[in-house]
Amino acid sequence: DTGVSQDPRHKITKRGQNVTFRCDPISEHNRLYWYRQTLGQGPEFLTYFQNEAQLEKSRLLSDRFSAERPKGSFSTLEIQRTEQGDSAMYLCASSLRQGARYTEAFFGQGTRLTVV
Amino acid sequence: AQSVTQPDIHITVSEGASLELRCNYSYGATPYLFWYVQSPGQGLQLLLKYFSGDTLVQGIKGFEAEFKRSQSSFNLRKPSVHWSDAAEYFCAVGAQVTGGGNKLTFGTGTQLKVEL
Repeated sequence: DTGVSQDPRHKITKRGQNVTFRCDPISEHNRLYWYRQTLGQGPEFLTYFQNEAQLEKSRLLSDRFSAERPKGSFSTLEIQRTEQGDSAMYLCASSLRQGARYTEAFFGQGTRLTVV
Repeated sequence: AQSVTQPDIHITVSEGASLELRCNYSYGATPYLFWYVQSPGQGLQLLLKYFSGDTLVQGIKGFEAEFKRSQSSFNLRKPSVHWSDAAEYFCAVGAQVTGGGNKLTFGTGTQLKVEL
């Protein structure tokens, strides 16, 4: 078990460019989450996948954001036409369902996005 | 909607002293509660969780937390703080979303400084 892996760890982009982040969850985990954390704040929920199905999206996830999880394994989060307000840490987490209960979420180390 | 309040933004304690970090939550049903710790530029590490049962839960690194339903609180404690405990601490409440996933709502965090 190598934990949740995120790539890249840091990304600097110019305003208006598109960026894509990748998350590799813990291998047996069927649930995957994306969160965004701005400076001085706690993480905020963006979206959630169960296997390959995206089941929940926050209002924070504007039309410029899209997330996928093809084949229920890794996930990508794309931001189109980046804005300075998109600068944040993007965190991925995964968890495993056990019967009627669910385990806690395990977080990756995050991707720090800076839009200049 | 659920919410979490961490009233202390910064706390400074001397090494070896006891620690209590406060957390109050708002949630309509029985909550799933968590404490995570985050070092600078890193992801979140789970310290402990409360799902049900014993209201005093033990976690890693000598931390414990007590769930008090009547006070809507889940305060984190440690009897003797070590310099390596300096970090940011987040309390979170979990809510079920479509498909049974666990959407976490975080507080704004408490920054712990340890004086040697």
